[in-house]
Amino acid sequence: QKEVEQNSGPLSVPEGAIASLNCTYSDRGSQSFFWYRQYSGKSPELIMFIYSNGDKEDGRFTAQLNKASQYVSLLIRDSQPSDSATYLCAGGKAAGNKLTFGGGTRVLVKP
Amino acid sequence: KAGVTQTPRYLIKTRGQQVTLSCSPISGHRSVSWYQQTPGQGLQFLFEYFSETQRNKGNFPGRFSGRQFSNSRSEMNVSTLELGDSALYLCASSPIPGETQYFGPGTRLLVL
Repeated sequence: QKEVEQNSGPLSVPEGAIASLNCTYSDRGSQSFFWYRQYSGKSPELIMFIYSNGDKEDGRFTAQLNKASQYVSLLIRDSQPSDSATYLCAGGKAAGNKLTFGGGTRVLVKP
Repeated sequence: KAGVTQTPRYLIKTRGQQVTLSCSPISGHRSVSWYQQTPGQGLQFLFEYFSETQRNKGNFPGRFSGRQFSNSRSEMNVSTLELGDSALYLCASSPIPGETQYFGPGTRLLVL
């Protein structure tokens, strides 16, 4: 079992709809979670981070963390074709920079 | 603020050679981490440096090494290259360990 798991997709979403991405993790020592977006041929770009249980909103993005169930999710509201990319979920521990990444979910937003 | 810079951006080597990749973190960031990304294995942690000290190392053979300089710039070295070392090598920086990391553009290495 991988430490961080994501559905590889592709997740096909009509323009303007909500894209819902999920991520589960196995290491209960993970304390911080990150969502990165990666366009084909480019490096990962930070979208959001979340440390506490509950929701965190930033513009069209909402991250949700449930430590008891060991899952993290990302909602993308009003999806745009420019949101078409691979979304990487990563978990980290306190006072360290080692991030464990999931395999990524490919999102396709269709006009 | 300028982002993380990595040089070179592209590199072609042959098996058995060695390679050195360079990373300059965001100004003021003192923590640098390296990751390898391949289609098969995804993004994997290589090592982490802070204050010129390696704080953590991923599950990679000893052919992979790195160092950090007093100005926080970092280099990683891969000796005796193998075909499987072909990958995108990413450097990420953060102000201190545990804070949010920002990635550089990466160095794409092709081993023939």
